[in-house]
Amino acid sequence: EAGVAQSPRYKIIEKRQSVAFWCNPISGHATLYWYQQILGQGPKLLIQFQNNGVVDDSQLPKDRFSAERLKGVDSTLKIQPAKLEDSAVYLCASSSGTGGQETQYFGPGTRLLVL
Amino acid sequence: AQSVTQLDSQVPVFEEAPVELRCNYSSSVSVYLFWYVQYPNQGLQLLLKYLSGSTLVKGINGFEAEFNKSQTSFHLRKPSVHISDTAEYFCAVSDYKLSFGAGTTVTVRA
Repeated sequence: EAGVAQSPRYKIIEKRQSVAFWCNPISGHATLYWYQQILGQGPKLLIQFQNNGVVDDSQLPKDRFSAERLKGVDSTLKIQPAKLEDSAVYLCASSSGTGGQETQYFGPGTRLLVL
Repeated sequence: AQSVTQLDSQVPVFEEAPVELRCNYSSSVSVYLFWYVQYPNQGLQLLLKYLSGSTLVKGINGFEAEFNKSQTSFHLRKPSVHISDTAEYFCAVSDYKLSFGAGTTVTVRA
């Protein structure tokens, strides 16, 4: 079974530029998550989708971050414009359901450096 | 609201020695508890989880954890570590949303 795929793996941009990350979840998984992991901290949930609808985006900085999941499969996360404090690893995860007991399967992450 | 505290940020340990990683949580409702491992430059992988039932949970790679409701703890243990266990370990709590601790870096030395 193929795992969660993410691209790119690394990205370096200057502040005020825009950037986009792509995620392909495990086939058949209805729920997709985007997390931000700042160095030295645990992952923090940015947004959760079930199919192509948003379940939770309470911690997404909506003035600069946006995410979509067209057709309930792939997802993109965009930052525009980027700030220095956005430097982090962005992790995508997927699960088969939405209950709190579900195991989430994580991709390798995209490491973003904002200069 | 829920939160997770991992009491040790770094744990150095010799190969074949036991290791314990401590995790305490706070929550106003019943929760599910997880331990994930993150190897260098990789995503997180589930080690084990507690949903209900027996308080001693066994996971992959010889790890186990014990849920203690009165102490709101979920400590992770392994009786004998290998070099390959060098990684970052995250404790997490979930009611409907997963919240992670800050992580514990385990470095296994020969």
